[in-house]
Amino acid sequence: NAGVTQTPKFRILKIGQSMTLQCAQDMNHNYMYWYRQDPGMGLKLIYYSVGAGITDKGEVPNGYNVSRSTTEDFPLRLELAAPSQTSVYFCASSPHQETQYFGPGTRLLVL
Amino acid sequence: EDKVVQSPLSLVVHEGDTVTLNCSYEVTNFRSLLWYKQEKKAPTFLFMLTSSGIEKKSGRLSSILDKKELFSILNITATQTGDSAVYLCAVEATGNQFYFGTGTSLTVIP
Repeated sequence: NAGVTQTPKFRILKIGQSMTLQCAQDMNHNYMYWYRQDPGMGLKLIYYSVGAGITDKGEVPNGYNVSRSTTEDFPLRLELAAPSQTSVYFCASSPHQETQYFGPGTRLLVL
Repeated sequence: EDKVVQSPLSLVVHEGDTVTLNCSYEVTNFRSLLWYKQEKKAPTFLFMLTSSGIEKKSGRLSSILDKKELFSILNITATQTGDSAVYLCAVEATGNQFYFGTGTSLTVIP
């Protein structure tokens, strides 16, 4: 199993650009999550999904959108990138509401 | 406001020392408390605690939860340089919400 994969690993965006961060898992997990981690800060939950077709907001959803059309994929969309969205983004999945398996992260820089 | 606070923020010890990392929380509708180890990239799972007073052990690491005092500790005995990492504490609340602390950065010197 590849586990949780994320692409790209690193990206530089200009203010106002849009992009999609990809996340996929091959463990058939129902639950998937997107977090951001700012330097010296803990992880903050952006969005989560309890299954295909179901998504919900986390602690810091503003400026982001998600979709969950399949069990495997959970992309995160930034429509109008802002410098405040410079961060490292982690995707995670879990079989139940328990331990989460994290992807390797995507480092995003908005200039 | 729900929050998770970890202490100390950073710690430097010598190999062989024993360390205790602290995690306190104020989270409504608590479900579980989780510890993660984060080295260069993604966090990796260490423990999940749901009941007070039951110690979880994995090799030199152990953890326990006190739901009355809203507190958990992570102990590492006989530390090794490979234990150098950021240790994250997270609390899961109902509604599938997770709250993370800022982490404790542990450096183990040979």
